[in-house]
Amino acid sequence: AQTVTQSQPEMSVQEAETVTLSCTYDTSESDYYLFWYKQPPSRQMILVIRQEAYKQQNATENRFSVNFQKAAKSFSLKISDSQLGDAAMYFCAYGGGGSEKLVFGKGTKLTVNP
Amino acid sequence: NAGVMQNPRHLVRRRGQEARLRCSPMKGHSHVYWYRQLPEEGLKFMVYLQKENIIDESGMPKERFSAEFPKEGPSILRIQQVVRGDSAAYFCASSPISGANVLTFGAGSRLTVL
Repeated sequence: AQTVTQSQPEMSVQEAETVTLSCTYDTSESDYYLFWYKQPPSRQMILVIRQEAYKQQNATENRFSVNFQKAAKSFSLKISDSQLGDAAMYFCAYGGGGSEKLVFGKGTKLTVNP
Repeated sequence: NAGVMQNPRHLVRRRGQEARLRCSPMKGHSHVYWYRQLPEEGLKFMVYLQKENIIDESGMPKERFSAEFPKEGPSILRIQQVVRGDSAAYFCASSPISGANVLTFGAGSRLTVL
């Protein structure tokens, strides 16, 4: 079964600085997707970024980028120029391999200090 | 497009009562997924439905929980004889096609069991 591990329960960053959130996963599939979701205090699940496993190029969305290392099964999220509004829980998720389910990690709570 | 609508946002029940959570998918989406988020945890898959059909209920507890997605109307997640351990946030997501890589999440329904 697929598993997703986020080893950092909490992280903090100064406003305007850069922070990297870690995620590793385990799968025997070759075709899958990886996601980072943001959950602010409102509890809404917001898709931040998505990566297709067959693409070697790392996905980027404005200040958010990923470092996808397929062989190492690592999928970290980098947030550049951190803003106060980035403060939230961040969840890494795995999907695909013919399954309809997303498998989520336990999350990392990000605090942004002014 | 109003997005995925869940109601109620907050529901309080006493032990032994029934809880009904509703989810209206995005317009044009015929695939609905339910996830549960326990305190301090990531989301966990419960069930995947298409109109009038349960496709995958491998994440549903064997007793007291049921889900439906009728031809007309919202999808319903029903919990009978609630217990304190059912207290959680329940998220619905919808998709225009099968596959967990294009999900849009609702804002969740928070169930509190007294």
